[in-house]
Amino acid sequence: GQQVQQSPASLVLQEGENAELQCNFSSTATQLQWFYQSPGGSLVSLLSNPSGTKHTGRLTSTTVTKERRSSLHISSSQTTDSGTYLCAIDPYQGGRALIFGTGTTVSVSP
Amino acid sequence: AQTIHQWPVAEIKAVGSPLSLGCTIKGKSSPNLYWYWQATGGTLQQLFYSITVGQVESVVQLNLSASRPKDDQFILSTEKLLLSHSGFYLCAWSLRGSQNTLYFGAGTRLSVL
Repeated sequence: GQQVQQSPASLVLQEGENAELQCNFSSTATQLQWFYQSPGGSLVSLLSNPSGTKHTGRLTSTTVTKERRSSLHISSSQTTDSGTYLCAIDPYQGGRALIFGTGTTVSVSP
Repeated sequence: AQTIHQWPVAEIKAVGSPLSLGCTIKGKSSPNLYWYWQATGGTLQQLFYSITVGQVESVVQLNLSASRPKDDQFILSTEKLLLSHSGFYLCAWSLRGSQNTLYFGAGTRLSVL
């Protein structure tokens, strides 16, 4: 079945440091999204990036579709970046089944 | 602006009791709707999706059912809760199509005792 693996499982940063999160998936993805899950559980979509490079604020995502991998770069981390970052793919066209990865838990200390 | 509202925010229920969780989307007509579930410390799993009123497809069998009685409403329910139903339930919507972003509600935290 389709699998989405994320690494590292957890990351501890000092405020101001950069971070690189990885997402590898085992099937072709027509859609790839990065989400942020707060410690309380709510999810926010960060970037939708099925291929190429996209930026928003301090976040940069690069997806290499042929190699079935995506990365999320966080620059100049802040304590408010703490939480879990989830990668999700849609292996089917039409958005019917978004499959989530296991997540990377980021902890940023002041 | 589109808003997604889930209710209740949290529930504590007994094993064997019924459950009904709700989700309403305002400001968008005919969205795709989804139910997701996350066990404590676990991965988000899609349970159901619906592309139109009255039509729901199951993705994962967890002894739960879903219905879409109105275009803007998605209901998750069961007549008999199991301990394994505990976790975090999230409703989400998207526009139709393959490149559309998924927007989530704030979630319902369910504890089955």
